[in-house]
Amino acid sequence: DGGITQSPKYLFRKEGQNVTLSCEQNLNHDAMYWYRQDPGQGLRLIYYSQIVNDFQKGDIAEGYSVSREKKESFPLTVTSAQKNPTAFYLCASSSRGLGSPLHFGNGTRLTVT
Amino acid sequence: AQTVTQSQPEMSVQEAETVTLSCTYDTSESDYYLFWYKQPPSRQMILVIRQEAYKQQNATENRFSVNFQKAAKSFSLKISDSQLGDAAMYFCAYRTQGGSEKLVFGKGTKLTVNP
Repeated sequence: DGGITQSPKYLFRKEGQNVTLSCEQNLNHDAMYWYRQDPGQGLRLIYYSQIVNDFQKGDIAEGYSVSREKKESFPLTVTSAQKNPTAFYLCASSSRGLGSPLHFGNGTRLTVT
Repeated sequence: AQTVTQSQPEMSVQEAETVTLSCTYDTSESDYYLFWYKQPPSRQMILVIRQEAYKQQNATENRFSVNFQKAAKSFSLKISDSQLGDAAMYFCAYRTQGGSEKLVFGKGTKLTVNP
């Protein structure tokens, strides 16, 4: 079955440590996205990539980094510079084109203490 | 900045009744798409319905329909014959060419369905 896989589902880290969230898709989609979800805030865009080896900052990129070395993979690193990293993170992918819907993974809940 | 506003943080409806969720957006572009996504307690994001701005006819998907008012920049979601499984967070979103095809979301409306 085609889809998006995020791993792990739950992640715990100590403050000051970098952590990488995995996102893999086998839908052959060109575009991939990372969103952060906090209570009452909706989904806010962290980074997005429309093609391999290229990515752009979203609205809240500070303290995060990404790479897009393969079409299928778009890992997100939460660095120690992110002041409030505890959140629910959603990865998504889509075909190019305004009408193409985003397909989402099941999310990763990151807790930093 | 492009924005999406959902003015109802929470809504409730009786099972089998109809409910309408509101959404307004702000864009100066003429070509864009609008979406409603549902997020049940499992937190999986599910596409409910989408609407192209150039189409005047309102989109319909089974019990879900939209009221798209382009001039008013309004895109409300109507759920008919509400079911317990409709209980979820509902997010309105839009996507424009000038926005690099990013999906911009509202803050969501939490829908409760009462038996």
